[in-house]
Amino acid sequence: EDQVTQSPEALRLQEGESSSLNCSYTVSGLRGLFWYRQDPGKGPEFLFTLYSAGEEKEKERLKATLTKKESFLHITAPKPEDSATYLCAVKESYGQNFVFGPGTRLSVLP
Amino acid sequence: NAGVTQTPKFRVLKTGQSMTLLCAQDMNHEYMYWYRQDPGMGLRLIHYSVGEGTTAKGEVPDGYNVSRLKKQNFLLGLESAAPSQTSVYFCASSDRGNQPQHFGDGTRLSIL
Repeated sequence: EDQVTQSPEALRLQEGESSSLNCSYTVSGLRGLFWYRQDPGKGPEFLFTLYSAGEEKEKERLKATLTKKESFLHITAPKPEDSATYLCAVKESYGQNFVFGPGTRLSVLP
Repeated sequence: NAGVTQTPKFRVLKTGQSMTLLCAQDMNHEYMYWYRQDPGMGLRLIHYSVGEGTTAKGEVPDGYNVSRLKKQNFLLGLESAAPSQTSVYFCASSDRGNQPQHFGDGTRLSIL
């Protein structure tokens, strides 16, 4: 059964304290791994897509990396406005199903 | 740009009542999706559509029906609401099947 897990479940950082979020997956044929940010009361907002192991994408303080079994979202010198829930999702090879992880709830304290 | 718009934003139903959730997108996307989000769980796909006039079942389709009569609209129906359908429902759209999805802000549905 295809699965996506994320760790930690929640993370509290001081402003400027860098860290990483993990997304581990087991799917039968990966057609893309997606990172989203979700603010309370809002829908997920797209951040990155990674398609193959070794690929990296960057945007401001965020950097996403991908291996054959997991992806990391690295947050460098975070600010309070980076506080949100970060979701990862994988697209299976067959059909249109996207398997989402439960998310990591990030709090950045000033 | 409106993007993906969901109506209503909130709704309370009694068990056995029916209702329709509306999703509209203005990006001319071919693919549209309906998800539900429950505490501690990831988004789960209910139904999806790969183009006007098409629909297909996702991971958790039981108790729901959908229609895509127009390319820009995707409707989710609950024929006989049950308390287990209390959730936040998200609609999303994408240009292609393996492209990033654009989400609406959700409909919060409570079934009493």
